[in-house]
Amino acid sequence: NAGVTQTPKFRVLKTGQSMTLLCAQDMNHEYMYWYRQDPGMGLRLIHYSVGEGTTAKGEVPDGYNVSRLKKQNFLLGLESAAPSQTSVYFCASSYSLNPGAISYEQYFGPGTRLTVT
Amino acid sequence: GIQVEQSPPDLILQEGANSTLRCNFSDSVNNLQWFHQNPWGQLINLFYIPSGTKQNGRLSATTVATERYSLLYISSSQTTDSGVYFCAVRTGANNLFFGTGTRLTVIP
Repeated sequence: NAGVTQTPKFRVLKTGQSMTLLCAQDMNHEYMYWYRQDPGMGLRLIHYSVGEGTTAKGEVPDGYNVSRLKKQNFLLGLESAAPSQTSVYFCASSYSLNPGAISYEQYFGPGTRLTVT
Repeated sequence: GIQVEQSPPDLILQEGANSTLRCNFSDSVNNLQWFHQNPWGQLINLFYIPSGTKQNGRLSATTVATERYSLLYISSSQTTDSGVYFCAVRTGANNLFFGTGTRLTVIP
């Protein structure tokens, strides 16, 4: 049981380049989330999904797109990277419908450190 | 949106000392979680505590939802307790709102 995994762990982009971050979870969770963490701050929600094929905007969605084609995966895309998107990106998942395990507790992946130059 | 305030922002302890971290929030919440972010950046779940008191080893937490605060107690602190402690609350269906954290340094 790996929990929540993220790929890649580190990435450096030039301004204007695009990339996709992959999040995978093996806990059969319904909900998945993408957050960003800037230095000295807590995490802020970018986008989230309450089920396969659904997505919604969070607190800071501009410049990002997401897709949830499979229940276990949640992709975060940057179409045209900007230096302001330099940050650490965390994926999380929550809400299992498994009997006896219904909970909204969120579990986080290890993070992806992205630098845009 | 909801405001989540944590205090103190920074805390330095001698190994073996006890401490209390506080989290105040400005509106009613459905749930509350405490996390420890270790020096390598990993977020570790400490407590899922919408109300009441829980204990796990040297750590315990209490949430008084009606008064909009939560406390995290660390007893007999160890150097491995160093890092940033975050409180996060859930108001609506889904997303967590994070405080700015308490940075704890435990010196031997």
